[in-house]
Amino acid sequence: RKEVEQDPGPFNVPEGATVAFNCTYSNSASQSFFWYRQDCRKEPKLLMSVYSSGNEDGRFTAQLNRASQYISLLIRDSKLSDSATYLCVVNRNFGNEKLTFGTGTRLTIIP
Amino acid sequence: EAQVTQNPRYLITVTGKKLTVTCSQNMNHEYMSWYRQDPGLGLRQIYYSMNVEVTDKGDVPEGYKVSRKEKRNFPLILESPSPNQTSLYFCASSLRRAGELFFGEGSRLTVL
Repeated sequence: RKEVEQDPGPFNVPEGATVAFNCTYSNSASQSFFWYRQDCRKEPKLLMSVYSSGNEDGRFTAQLNRASQYISLLIRDSKLSDSATYLCVVNRNFGNEKLTFGTGTRLTIIP
Repeated sequence: EAQVTQNPRYLITVTGKKLTVTCSQNMNHEYMSWYRQDPGLGLRQIYYSMNVEVTDKGDVPEGYKVSRKEKRNFPLILESPSPNQTSLYFCASSLRRAGELFFGEGSRLTVL
């Protein structure tokens, strides 16, 4: 089983819709979690950190479910500019700053 | 402007010819790391550095070396490149937490 798994998609979603995708992780000792977005042929950019209590940033909401070992990302009122690949990132152990990236979920917003 | 700068951005080289990819950040970040990105495999961590003179292996360190003599610079060295090191390489830095990264624009390396 991969340490971090994501549905590769693609998710093709009409503009204005709500879309959600999950990322599962295998190491229960994982300490911190993040979502990045990566546009085609560009560098990844931090979208948001994922806190235990969940967090929201505008149209984006991230949740952590430790019991089931997954994190989620919800995008409301999707825009054309949301089209990108979304990467899930897990820091496996506190003090051991090794990061594991998921292979990403591709999202395309359709006009 | 806060940034992470990598050079070269594109490079084609031949097997065995030593090369260095430079990485510099102007944000006074303590943490720096290198990744390679390959289709279907995602980003994989090569090496990371928690601070000056402190480096450690990531998941795929074989065939690579790094050094951290100054806080701002973290070069990636391929002593004897091989075709399986053909990839897109990213350098990244972070003020404290390893997960909140600023990435460079990437260096596309082809080894023939």
